[in-house]
Amino acid sequence: DQQVKQNSPSLSVQEGRISILNCDYTNSMFDYFLWYKKYPAEGPTFLISISSIKDKNEDGRFTVFLNKSAKHLSLHIVPSQPGDSAVYFCAAKPQGAQKLVFGQGTRLTINP
Amino acid sequence: EAGVAQSPRYKIIEKRQSVAFWCNPISGHATLYWYQQILGQGPKLLIQFQNNGVVDDSQLPKDRFSAERLKGVDSTLKIQPAKLEDSAVYLCASSRDYQNNEQFFGPGTRLTVL
Repeated sequence: DQQVKQNSPSLSVQEGRISILNCDYTNSMFDYFLWYKKYPAEGPTFLISISSIKDKNEDGRFTVFLNKSAKHLSLHIVPSQPGDSAVYFCAAKPQGAQKLVFGQGTRLTINP
Repeated sequence: EAGVAQSPRYKIIEKRQSVAFWCNPISGHATLYWYQQILGQGPKLLIQFQNNGVVDDSQLPKDRFSAERLKGVDSTLKIQPAKLEDSAVYLCASSRDYQNNEQFFGPGTRLTVL
């Protein structure tokens, strides 16, 4: 029962262009969503988050959009840089709990 | 501020052997989590501690996995006996308190069971 799904295992984007990573969820009781970035041999690093009462949160080159009716969120990175090459995990927090439910991850490769 | 520390970084054992992992969370962080990440999947929560008490261990295979956080700081996760399907990266994370949504992860321990 995969409650958080990242359907694209990999994504390749040209440097300077926009990267869009997608995430779908099935549980309407999630009240907080986070994106983590992971380099090889390191633990995931927090990137950006959004509360379920909002539809957009922006932090520098990173913007997260939440569409509650579609149970869909996306991470936009613009402009994409070579250092953005990593695996990106979408995570969701159930209401009333502190645990995170993670998607499978999307490997982003930024080409020079 | 020092990050979450984990050891060992890598461990190779044979099936039916025992293994233990250690985690030292960020100083002052009350909540500690152990996750299992199987290759190609996202991290899956095994157990969550608030200080030295267990908050959620619903996905911990209790017949072979155990974890403790006796003094509310460091934690150990043990597998006894290990199975082939336990091969994974074991991640420890901590957060400031139960109300804080952001979790900080350690580098993980990569376990290979032969």
